[in-house]
Amino acid sequence: DAKTTQPPSMDCAEGRAANLPCNHSTISGNEYVYWYRQIHSQGPQYIIHGLKNNETNEMASLIITEDRKSSTLILPHATLRDTAVYYCIVRFLASSNTGKLIFGQGTTLQVKP
Amino acid sequence: ETGVTQSPTHLIKTRGQQVTLRCSSQSGHNTVSWYQQALGQGPQFIFQYYREEENGRGNFPPRFSGLQFPNYSSELNVNALELDDSALYLCASSTLGGLETQYFGPGTRLLVL
Repeated sequence: DAKTTQPPSMDCAEGRAANLPCNHSTISGNEYVYWYRQIHSQGPQYIIHGLKNNETNEMASLIITEDRKSSTLILPHATLRDTAVYYCIVRFLASSNTGKLIFGQGTTLQVKP
Repeated sequence: ETGVTQSPTHLIKTRGQQVTLRCSSQSGHNTVSWYQQALGQGPQFIFQYYREEENGRGNFPPRFSGLQFPNYSSELNVNALELDDSALYLCASSTLGGLETQYFGPGTRLLVL
């Protein structure tokens, strides 16, 4: 599975958009980009995933560059409850593997009032 | 809420003891993956159960074992507990041997003294 690089921490003002970058320069064509977040001492929460195209759901938007070497998770209007560790994960999905999630250190997002 | 439940929520054991942790998967899911999360680290894959069979294993010793029942709930057993086994244990529920999105439970916090 491709390795990801994320900044260790970021701050965001409440009500503003939070843009969390992720570098995955060694990603291969059939690897998906997944985002999870973990609020202190809780289980990770699935946010969104994508392969090539940009994706949007009720929680966030995922922007993947054309070369797929990086992506950005966008929380459009951050609230204090969005303070969490955000994990960018690249998954190789095939019937021959478990689809296990390989977590890095993630980005700690602090939303400030 | 993901519909994935874990029990107990907290547990204290002493070194050398054995422990059993339980996970109930989301309705319709036939795959359970277990992860260990040490303090300050991202979760690490322990193993996965798919249709009652072990379907992949991470870098954990044999004293970590598991079971999946016909209703797809699962147990994680750890024998001969060591101090380093103190961690948050997470289970994630999914379908297709983990290839679909994995949804996490709240975790069990284990402290080994």
